[in-house]
Amino acid sequence: DGGITQSPKYLFRKEGQNVTLSCEQNLNHDAMYWYRQDPGQGLRLIYYSQIVNDFQKGDIAEGYSVSREKKESFPLTVTSAQKNPTAFYLCASRGDNKNIQYFGAGTRLSVL
Amino acid sequence: AQSVSQHNHHVILSEAASLELGCNYSYGGTVNLFWYVQYPGQHLQLLLKYFSGDPLVKGIKGFEAEFIKSKFSFNLRKPSVQWSDTAEYFCAVKGGADGLTFGKGTHLIIQP
Repeated sequence: DGGITQSPKYLFRKEGQNVTLSCEQNLNHDAMYWYRQDPGQGLRLIYYSQIVNDFQKGDIAEGYSVSREKKESFPLTVTSAQKNPTAFYLCASRGDNKNIQYFGAGTRLSVL
Repeated sequence: AQSVSQHNHHVILSEAASLELGCNYSYGGTVNLFWYVQYPGQHLQLLLKYFSGDPLVKGIKGFEAEFIKSKFSFNLRKPSVQWSDTAEYFCAVKGGADGLTFGKGTHLIIQP
């Protein structure tokens, strides 16, 4: 079954804790993206990667980190420096087809 | 920097009513434009897109959008809505930088 898999679906973070959200794709796409969705705010770009071992900051990268060691995987770490981490996080990927991004089901992160 | 403005945050319509959701963007160069839809509990999915050519584009489920370059607009339309169109709708633009810039979304409720 082709697509983008995000896990876990729900995640809880304690104060001062780093947590990592997983994003895996089997679409053979080069580019991958992380967005944050807040109610009434739309989606905002956190980080993106156009190729393995390379990634770029998006509009709201502070308090987050990523890695891109494999083409199919683009994990996002929400660090303790992110003071307002409660949100819905969406991962996307893009192949060669003219900037169309395909999205995963998302991870909802809450703070305990 | 590019930005997207969606005029209506909440829209309530009765079944069979006509729909038009406004979207304006700011970017001086060539853009790719998208409408994405997020049905309750489902992935964000592409509704339609504009890259070039005919400014009137048709998407899935009877939706269409018109790109008016002089007005920097890409409004979404449907002649007759159904209860199943209840969802959140996002307009997005791809300009010079990678990643999409999204509007804040329009929550559409269709009353039977």
